[in-house]
Amino acid sequence: EPEVTQTPSHQVTQMGQEVILRCVPISNHLYFYWYRQILGQKVEFLVSFYNNEISEKSEIFDDQFSVERPDGSNFTLKIRSTKLEDSAMYFCASSDADRGITPLHFGNGTRLTVT
Amino acid sequence: GNSVTQMEGPVTLSEEAFLTINCTYTATGYPSLFWYVQYPGEGLQLLLKATKADDKGSNKGFEATYRKETTSFHLEKGSVQVSDSAVYFCAPAQGGSEKLVFGKGTKLTVNP
Repeated sequence: EPEVTQTPSHQVTQMGQEVILRCVPISNHLYFYWYRQILGQKVEFLVSFYNNEISEKSEIFDDQFSVERPDGSNFTLKIRSTKLEDSAMYFCASSDADRGITPLHFGNGTRLTVT
Repeated sequence: GNSVTQMEGPVTLSEEAFLTINCTYTATGYPSLFWYVQYPGEGLQLLLKATKADDKGSNKGFEATYRKETTSFHLEKGSVQVSDSAVYFCAPAQGGSEKLVFGKGTKLTVNP
């Protein structure tokens, strides 16, 4: 069964550094998402992406965050200047239709640790 | 916007015990409802879903019924196995919206 793959599985970075989290969604999917989960807290929506542009974003997704689909297969999340509170598990997801009916397929996540 | 309240964990059961994980939600209109599961070291996987009132979603022996009158979607399984040990997330979604709203998750540990 097709999978969403995320790399790396664990990223350690220093505060203030830029990080790029990478995702390869399922190939025929059209909708792409990033969620994050701070340890012990809820899984939170960050951003959704469709037709090469952001379709919705949360309050968490401020100017430090950006997403890109650079080559038709990868979907990346960039954090320009990481803060300690960005430490979390980041999940990429994709879907082939309007998500109100069709479920999301999630990757295994990237654990980001900011020191 | 939508919100969800999920039973606090962790939950520890013996094999073959009955499981209930409560979930209630608030939403505008009638959202589709999902349960996702996260096994150790893995991503979130869809467990089951229900798209309209009184629908029952089922998979792998788990069931949940969409109760509009109580805005609930409780997860049940009659006889849990060690392999069911995981974190379970309740999530309503709104058709046309881009957001799933997750609960905090309930960690289930099943002992042999």
